[in-house]
Amino acid sequence: GQQLNQSPQSMFIQEGEDVSMNCTSSSIFNTWLWYKQDPGEGPVLLIALYKAGELTSNGRLTAQFGITRKDSFLNISASIPSDVGIYFCAGQGTDSWGKLQFGAGTQVVVTP
Amino acid sequence: SQTIHQWPATLVQPVGSPLSLECTVEGTSNPNLYWYRQAAGRGLQLLFYSVGIGQISSEVPQNLSASRPQDRQFILSSKKLLLSDSGFYLCAWSGGGAFEQYFGPGTRLTVT
Repeated sequence: GQQLNQSPQSMFIQEGEDVSMNCTSSSIFNTWLWYKQDPGEGPVLLIALYKAGELTSNGRLTAQFGITRKDSFLNISASIPSDVGIYFCAGQGTDSWGKLQFGAGTQVVVTP
Repeated sequence: SQTIHQWPATLVQPVGSPLSLECTVEGTSNPNLYWYRQAAGRGLQLLFYSVGIGQISSEVPQNLSASRPQDRQFILSSKKLLLSDSGFYLCAWSGGGAFEQYFGPGTRLTVT
């Protein structure tokens, strides 16, 4: 089956710094999604990507759908304390309509 | 606008007892519905999904079952809980041919 690798596992950054994380797949994805989860809550959708090469922003967040369709990147600029949480990538493959495969998550900790 | 509800929010049950978790969606019709389990705050495991009333697909053989008695209601059940059933259970929906999934607030289940 498809494998989805997300890195890094965790990041400790200072307020104001930029954050980058990525996901790679062993096979082609049609859709990439990025979620953020706060402790004890359900994941919240941040950005959805549907086309190879697509670059989409949501405030200080920017995500890209890789040209090879096997990877995606999420950048957070000028981090603030409320950026703390776990960020998940998710992808929908060519043979798994309606189902998403999730990365293991990137834990982001922001220090003042 | 669409909203998704889950209850209870938290549950502590003894081993061998039954389980029933409920998920309902408002503001949409004929959604795809999903049950996930999340252990230790990382990694979402798809348990069941449903594309319509009475239609359930199981992703992982386990001690759990799911039912969809109404269009916007999804229930997760067990006849006898195991210690390994402890975790954070998330319900999600998608619709309109789109692949974005939207999550509920989750149920924290502790089996003692």
